[in-house]
Amino acid sequence: QKEVEQDPGPLSVPEGAIVSLNCTYSNSAFQYFMWYRQYSRKGPELLMYTYSSGNKEDGRFTAQVDKSSKYISLFIRDSQPSDSATYLCAMSRFTTSGTYKYIFGTGTRLKVLA
Amino acid sequence: EPEVTQTPSHQVTQMGQEVILRCVPISNHLYFYWYRQILGQKVEFLVSFYNNEISEKSEIFDDQFSVERPDGSNFTLKIRSTKLEDSAMYFCASRDRGDFTGELFFGEGSRLTVL
Repeated sequence: QKEVEQDPGPLSVPEGAIVSLNCTYSNSAFQYFMWYRQYSRKGPELLMYTYSSGNKEDGRFTAQVDKSSKYISLFIRDSQPSDSATYLCAMSRFTTSGTYKYIFGTGTRLKVLA
Repeated sequence: EPEVTQTPSHQVTQMGQEVILRCVPISNHLYFYWYRQILGQKVEFLVSFYNNEISEKSEIFDDQFSVERPDGSNFTLKIRSTKLEDSAMYFCASRDRGDFTGELFFGEGSRLTVL
């Protein structure tokens, strides 16, 4: 079983739609949960991170974590064409070597149609 | 705004050749990472580096790979004898603190094409 699973999409939505992106994970040692956005041929950029179950809002973005179900989500409200990108979930756990190891999902490609 | 810079942006090489990919992490960062992304696939962890030594490496990071921080600013990834399957985008990343509030910053990537 993969440590982190994410539907690769692609997902096409009309402008203004609410987008829901999801990941599941198997390793309960993960402590921190992140969403990165990656534009074509660019490096990933951090959108949001959280470490506890529940919701965290930042503008049009809401990150949701359910540790009991090992499930995380990212919601985008009032989606815009500029939101078109690949969204990567990422999780990290502390390692015995004293660093954090980050594991990424496959990424979901999102296209918001004008 | 500080950023992670990577060179070259694109390198084409023949199978069996050695390649060195270079990264300049953000200056006050302490933890350094290399990730690989084969076209259309996931971002895969290769190696993490702290205090001048490898702290963790994946099964991908075999004896053909090595990392070095030769001069306190650069962080390099060397592939000794490239294979076709090494063709990918290689991302360098860095972070500044051991506690989680340090964001992992990525460079723009170096695309490696092995012919």
